[in-house]
Amino acid sequence: QLQLQESGPGLVKPSETLSLTCTVSGGSISSSSYYWGWIRQPPGKGLEWIGSIYYSGSTYYNPSLKSRVTISVDTSKNQFSLKLSSVTAADTAVYYCARGDILRGFDPWGQGTLVTVSS
Amino acid sequence: QSVLTQPPSVSGAPGQRVTISCTGSSSNIGAGYDVHWYQQLPGTAPKLLIYGNSNRPSGVPDRFSGSKSGTSASLAITGLQAEDEADYYCQSYDSSLSGSTVFGGGTKLTVL
Repeated sequence: QLQLQESGPGLVKPSETLSLTCTVSGGSISSSSYYWGWIRQPPGKGLEWIGSIYYSGSTYYNPSLKSRVTISVDTSKNQFSLKLSSVTAADTAVYYCARGDILRGFDPWGQGTLVTVSS
Repeated sequence: QSVLTQPPSVSGAPGQRVTISCTGSSSNIGAGYDVHWYQQLPGTAPKLLIYGNSNRPSGVPDRFSGSKSGTSASLAITGLQAEDEADYYCQSYDSSLSGSTVFGGGTKLTVL
């Protein structure tokens, strides 16, 4: 079945750029039926949608993060990526990737990866 | 604060029925956007529980049900079990935010 796996540094310094990759296995990222999203969860807090991308490259970002976020897709590697610039301690969170469908929600999700912003 | 409002916590005894509300507005739930629900067990990733307001993915027990009316949605859990203790989140979309995905703040369910 479809599986997603996040990867990237677990520690990022303040003011630097957080970079994560989500590798999709068991299915193609090029399906026009779905989009691919990033969601984060600060420790002890709720879920926050960061943004989504279609395989065509069309992107949609959370307005509150839009100025710092870039999501891209690499269909040749069946991966999509997140870059969040100028990070602060407030960006410390577990970052999840997930497959999205406007009619069926986000399913499945990756296991999540904790990114800590600290010097 | 979240665009979609959920109660921070609910509780119930085993076997009982509990409901979790998700209140939105005319730019999200009231605009006709579907509501999806997720269950997050401690230390794990969220899992899709209900999609399209009231549909259960394969493998989700029929003890879980969803509904939507006006600018609100609800998740009901009947025959409460200890393993249902988790955080629950609603999710929809918002036209005032350019169709952005929005989540509720989450509800902690405690099984007494």
